[in-house]
Amino acid sequence: GAVVSQHPSRVICKSGTSVKIECRSLDFQATTMFWYRQFPKQSLMLMATSNEGSKATYEQGVEKDKFLINHASLTLSTLTVTSAHPEDSSFYICSAREGTGSNYGYTFGSGTRLTVV
Amino acid sequence: QQQVKQSPQSLIVQKGGISIINCAYENTAFDYFPWYQQFPGKGPALLIAIRPDVSEKKEGRFTISFNKSAKQFSLHIMDSQPGDSATYFCAASSYFGNEKLTFGTGTRLTIIP
Repeated sequence: GAVVSQHPSRVICKSGTSVKIECRSLDFQATTMFWYRQFPKQSLMLMATSNEGSKATYEQGVEKDKFLINHASLTLSTLTVTSAHPEDSSFYICSAREGTGSNYGYTFGSGTRLTVV
Repeated sequence: QQQVKQSPQSLIVQKGGISIINCAYENTAFDYFPWYQQFPGKGPALLIAIRPDVSEKKEGRFTISFNKSAKQFSLHIMDSQPGDSATYFCAASSYFGNEKLTFGTGTRLTIIP
């Protein structure tokens, strides 16, 4: 089946620094990837939709300049949290849409636990 | 139009029993209804999914029941095991929509011995 690899699984960074999270589709090409944020005991909150070769589409309330998304190839999307602050600490999850036509589905990465100290 | 309502919020079932989680949607354009299982500290994993051309899909101990007219779908876990203890999310999407998944709020399932 489709596999999405997300790295790192855990990262601790100092306040004010930037951190990059990678999301790779290993056995399929993903023209569309998604980035989610999940708070403890809550559902996944979509942050942005990443389309290969074009600008990401951000959900309302998500700061574009803080959460930089790059989808430069059909197998890689990155999320960079810039000037991170403790309130950015969260669980970040990527997802990729796979399949063709109406026979599509979504595969999720294993998530990245970001802690900003 | 984009909401997916999930219930219950939490569920405790005895080992060997049947766990049932329900979801309701509003957008009639939805054409893909997956269920995801998530363990603490991990990303969601696809458990089972259904498309609206069938009313039921079964994979091992997991069954999705789909009622298109009522705009509802449910997950049944037969012979529930302690290893099934996790958070379950229903979701929905539309092929002709903006491609994103709309998630339910999640159900924390606990299977007790």
